[in-house]
Amino acid sequence: QQPVQSPQAVILREGEDAVINCSSSKALYSVHWYRQKHGEAPVFLMILLKGGEQKGHDKISASFNEKKQQSSLYLTASQLSYSGTYFCGTEQLRGAQKLVFGQGTRLTINP
Amino acid sequence: KAGVTQTPRYLIKTRGQQVTLSCSPISGHRSVSWYQQTPGQGLQFLFEYFSETQRNKGNFPGRFSGRQFSNSRSEMNVSTLELGDSALYLCASTSGSPGNEQFFGPGTRLTVL
Repeated sequence: QQPVQSPQAVILREGEDAVINCSSSKALYSVHWYRQKHGEAPVFLMILLKGGEQKGHDKISASFNEKKQQSSLYLTASQLSYSGTYFCGTEQLRGAQKLVFGQGTRLTINP
Repeated sequence: KAGVTQTPRYLIKTRGQQVTLSCSPISGHRSVSWYQQTPGQGLQFLFEYFSETQRNKGNFPGRFSGRQFSNSRSEMNVSTLELGDSALYLCASTSGSPGNEQFFGPGTRLTVL
């Protein structure tokens, strides 16, 4: 079953923060986050595993709440380059390599 | 390290034809997954191959098939093309171990007329 992402779209000014959520009704083994710019392939951001720690690099971080089967992606002090559509891909079985993607969250950063 | 490569990048076909797409994973990666991306359905899993064996399959008709070679390169084939098959086809490369990242190739844009 497809995870639900919220919000569907968000518009920010450069320097503002954003949170994108990804919720699943199924128990998850891992959550993968990607960013896709128009006309390009999705670019891997990070992966969160069941029982793992919160991840982050630069000003982008993510968490995984196993009790709620929800992951959140945090973008701090957003930059123009952060614009794009963010997808979460969920893996239900360990090692399944089959990602079920959310519908995406379109993030627009304005100067 | 070279990334995932896909050929061709663009393809135009007519209904009823068949098409073969190719994907070369990152060196050392043994798993290749295929996804279809459309504006209406989003990113959908087609199938995954590991060591020349199909391990997982999505909910697509039998017209969609694939294979993997001993060098981990993979091909997917779509027979009897329909207008609805127009999409961006992406392959993702991973080592195949649990919890490993999947890296996408640039995709093949297929247009069916």
